[in-house]
Amino acid sequence: EAGVTQFPSHSVIEKGQTVTLRCDPISGHDNLYWYRRVMGKEIKFLLHFVKESKQDESGMPNNRFLAERTGGTYSTLKVQPAELEDSGVYFCASSQLWSTGYTFGSGTRLTVV
Amino acid sequence: GQQLNQSPQSMFIQEGEDVSMNCTSSSIFNTWLWYKQDPGEGPVLLIALYKAGELTSNGRLTAQFGITRKDSFLNISASIPSDVGIYFCAGQLHNSWGKLQFGAGTQVVVTP
Repeated sequence: EAGVTQFPSHSVIEKGQTVTLRCDPISGHDNLYWYRRVMGKEIKFLLHFVKESKQDESGMPNNRFLAERTGGTYSTLKVQPAELEDSGVYFCASSQLWSTGYTFGSGTRLTVV
Repeated sequence: GQQLNQSPQSMFIQEGEDVSMNCTSSSIFNTWLWYKQDPGEGPVLLIALYKAGELTSNGRLTAQFGITRKDSFLNISASIPSDVGIYFCAGQLHNSWGKLQFGAGTQVVVTP
C-alpha cells in the first residue's frame, strides 16, 4: 500500500511568490489533515478535510493560505503571496474515517527568502 | 490556545542508557499519542493511549496516559543508535475530529 505522498519535497521561493503544495493521501482515507512545523517549534494543525469538505480550518494562519480537495482525493495547499514567516515543513496526513493516529507524509520543506 | 509542554527539548545519551520524556498540558485529553520523526521523514506513530492510567509497551518503548489525563510519558529502554530522532507527544481533545495538538519535540541523540 502506498503511503501518503507529498510533492515537492523542497521548495525555495521568493517573498511574494506563489507556491502550491500537493498531498496524495492513502487510497480510501476520507480524513486528510495539513499540519505545519516552524523551525524548532511544535507541529501545528492547519486544517482537516473529510472527503472533499473542510471539517475544520481553524488553524489556517490567514487568507493567504487556500486548501482544496476536489473530488475527495488529493489535496493542494496554496500560499499566495508567500511571506518569510511561512517557511517551515508542511505535513499532510490521512486516516480512515473513524480512526485515530494517522499516517503522515514526508513533508514539504518550504523556504521563503 | 491549549499548549503541550514537552520536555526535555533534547537529550544526549550513550548507547544502552534509558531515555525518558514527558508532556504536560492544562487541558484534558481523551487520547495521547507518541510519534517519532526521522530526518527527512514524517512523524511515525509509536504508541497510542486511550484510557487514563493506561500503560502500554511496544518493544523497548513504554508510554503511560496520566491519571489526570493531562500528561503522558514515554520511556525508551536500552537505547540503540537507531533511536536517534525527534519524538513528539500529541494529544487529542474530545470531539475534535482527529485534530491533534503536538508538543515541540524531544531531540534524542545516541552516541556509541
